[in-house]
Amino acid sequence: QLVVTQSPSASASLGASIKLTCTLSSGHSTHAIAWHQQLPQQVPRFLMKVNSDGSHAKGVGIPDRFSGSSSGAERYLIISSLQSEDEAAYYCQAWDTDIRIFGGGTKLTVL
Amino acid sequence: QVQLVQSGAEVKKPGSSVKVSCKASGGTFVSYVFNWVRQAPGQGLEWMGHIVPFFGATDYAQRFKGRVTITVDRSTDTAYIQMSGLTSDDTAVYYCVPEDADYGYYWGPGTLVTVSS
Repeated sequence: QLVVTQSPSASASLGASIKLTCTLSSGHSTHAIAWHQQLPQQVPRFLMKVNSDGSHAKGVGIPDRFSGSSSGAERYLIISSLQSEDEAAYYCQAWDTDIRIFGGGTKLTVL
Repeated sequence: QVQLVQSGAEVKKPGSSVKVSCKASGGTFVSYVFNWVRQAPGQGLEWMGHIVPFFGATDYAQRFKGRVTITVDRSTDTAYIQMSGLTSDDTAVYYCVPEDADYGYYWGPGTLVTVSS
């Protein structure tokens, strides 16, 4: 059974870079995932899909500062040149045959 | 790009049912998979199920099977989710999230459902 794991929180300084991690359970290392961002009190928005080979496809209007990569069963969201408006919850979402599964989300604090 | 309008907030009694709608425009309705995702206050996102309008085929998260029904009306490009046996734990914002094979996901504005006696 597919399980998607994220750290509950992360923090980094303004202007720095950060890599958020999404870990897929054993046997699911070839699965692609999607990243979604939810700003405080806002509707979530789709950021990108990240494939197992590290290729990624971003949604419309997503800044170049956001990128994705992969290593084994881990999928990453990399945010460079952190800005205050990047402070948000970031959710990893995977799909297994006909179902979709969200990770618990990572709350990013920009210091 | 698809635009989404969801039905308004609902207040329901425990044990009752609710039906939330999601009207899509600006895209090809049958080309999407319509997901429903909910978010309880202060909590994360939870996938509930989806429908493929072209076929009418549905899939549900195990915990919602038998209690949730997702349908579409192709004549009005509208997707619906109906949930029965409501409890206070079902108090949440319910999002319609069409999935496109090329673009990714579009998030609807959400519908707040409050279950309270």
